[in-house]
Formats: sequence, C-alpha cells, structure tokens
Amino acid sequence: ETGVTQSPTHLIKTRGQQVTLRCSSQSGHNTVSWYQQALGQGPQFIFQYYREEENGRGNFPPRFSGLQFPNYSSELNVNALELDDSALYLCASSEAGNEQFFGPGTRLTVL
Amino acid sequence: AQTVTQSQPEMSVQEAETVTLSCTYDTSESDYYLFWYKQPPSRQMILVIRQEAYKQQNATENRFSVNFQKAAKSFSLKISDSQLGDAAMYFCAYRIPFTVGTASKLTFGTGTRLQVTL
Repeated sequence: ETGVTQSPTHLIKTRGQQVTLRCSSQSGHNTVSWYQQALGQGPQFIFQYYREEENGRGNFPPRFSGLQFPNYSSELNVNALELDDSALYLCASSEAGNEQFFGPGTRLTVL
Repeated sequence: AQTVTQSQPEMSVQEAETVTLSCTYDTSESDYYLFWYKQPPSRQMILVIRQEAYKQQNATENRFSVNFQKAAKSFSLKISDSQLGDAAMYFCAYRIPFTVGTASKLTFGTGTRLQVTL
C-alpha cells in the first residue's frame, strides 16, 4: 500500500508567479485536504475535495484553487504569489470521514 | 468557531521519564474528534492518538495516553518512558465528523516542541 506522496519537495518562485503543487492520495482514499503551515505555526486548512468536488474551504483567497482527479489525486494552484505564501503545504488523504494521513509536504519559498 | 490552544511552546523531558502536554479547545459541537499529531524535523505529520468525544474512556496507544475532560474542554497527552525518538513538535487537533458539503477539516493548535534529553 502506497502512502501519500507530494511533489515537488521544494520550490522557489518569485512574487506574482503561479505555482501548482501535486498530491497523490493513499490507495482507497477518496478525500484530499490541503493545509498551509507557516514557519512556527500549526497547519491552516485551505480546502477539501471529496470525489472530485470541493467539500469545504477555509479562509483563503480565491487565488488558491484546487482540483481532484478521477483517481483522487489532487492539485493545489496558487496564482499571483505573495511573499506570505511562503510555507509548507501539506496534503492529507482519507476515506471520507476516516483518519487523514499526511504527505511529506512541499516547501514553497516566494522571493 | 472552533479553536485549539496549546499554552506550552516548549517542553523538556529526560529519557525514560514521563511528560504531559496540555491542550484546550473550544467548540459548541457535541460530536467531534480530538487528535495528537507528531511532526519531527522530517516534516511529515504523524498521527499519535485519537479520541472520540462520545467515549468517556481515555485513549491509549502504547506509551501514549490522553486525559480527556469533556466538560473542561481539555485534552492532554501523556508520554511515558520517553525516548529520544519522541523529540518533535506535537500538535493537538480537532475536527467534526465528515458530511458531504461540510469540510471535515482539522483545526490545529500552535504546537509544543518536545525535547528529550539524556
């Protein structure tokens, strides 16, 4: 059984650019949640996808968007990057209401 | 809105000793789950232990146990026989049950950094 994977591991972008982060969910999981973790903070919920539909969103602006594919993998897209978007981005997969298993994260640095 | 508070930014424990990490939360829900996650320097968030609010019995997982006080909205983690590998950031987290149309999101505290010394 493969765990949750994320790519890339690290990413450096400049202000105003766009970025796409990817997450492959664990086998059998149909739900993906994305979190942003700023340095020294706890993760903050961005949004959740269930069976390819958005199932709730946190307090993030519309330039944060996502997709979930038929194989339940997911993308997080961030447009018009700002310095404050520098963070660790975590995705977690689950089978609906069961436990969320986290990937290793993508470290995004915006210069 | 649900909030989770961890008032201990850092804790230290000697190897083989016991340490307790504190967490309080605020919610108006009656049905929810509480968790402790461990995040080592590798960054991967690892589930340590979970507690269902409707269960009065405190959860235990080997050396890890919780003290769940529902009325006081308190959820502390006790680590017994501490090991060097226990050194990490520990996050307390809360979520409501999953329903379609309502995110079953995890709400995290700010974390407690645990150091384990020889």
